[in-house]
Amino acid sequence: AQKVTQAQTEISVVEKEDVTLDCVYETRDTTYYLFWYKQPPSGELVFLIRRNSFDEQNEISGRYSWNFQKSTSSFNFTITASQVVDSAVYFCALSSSNTGKLIFGQGTTLQVKP
Amino acid sequence: DAGITQSPRHKVTETGTPVTLRCHQTENHRYMYWYRQDPGHGLRLIHYSYGVKDTDKGEVSDGYSVSRSKTEDFLLTLESATSSQTSVYFCAISEGGYTDTQYFGPGTRLTVL
Repeated sequence: AQKVTQAQTEISVVEKEDVTLDCVYETRDTTYYLFWYKQPPSGELVFLIRRNSFDEQNEISGRYSWNFQKSTSSFNFTITASQVVDSAVYFCALSSSNTGKLIFGQGTTLQVKP
Repeated sequence: DAGITQSPRHKVTETGTPVTLRCHQTENHRYMYWYRQDPGHGLRLIHYSYGVKDTDKGEVSDGYSVSRSKTEDFLLTLESATSSQTSVYFCAISEGGYTDTQYFGPGTRLTVL
């Protein structure tokens, strides 16, 4: 069975701190895809990144970076120098063609205080 | 931004009444999805469509039906709304199947009294 676990329910940091959101996944498929989405207080779901299981290269986009480690089945998301606008719920998700379904984690609520 | 709209954005209805939510896309994507989001459950797939008149069930499909008569529109119907269907409903689209990125609409907040 596929499963995504975001063990951190809520994280609170002060602006300019770095913060890492953890995502651990379970799958028996060799080909799969991992995603991160952001849900700000306004409610919409914003796509952040998609990564396939064959690409373990870390990705950096501005203040955002992602660390994909197949050995530990983790796809962690780091925000450097956090800002108040980063306050949101962040979802990690997993899919594979074998299961035909996008599975979401429970989400991590990040609060960045000024 | 992906061209996805949902209507209505907010709706309050009474138990036992039928409700239809509409998702409209301007991207001509083949795949469309309906999810519900509830506290403690994250997002769960209700139904999805892989083409005009081609639909299938997700993990929480009981009490819901869907229809897709045009590429751009995907309708979600609650035949007889219940309080347990109070939720936020999101439509999503993707060019390919589940392994492709899904882009989400703004959501519809439905309250069943």
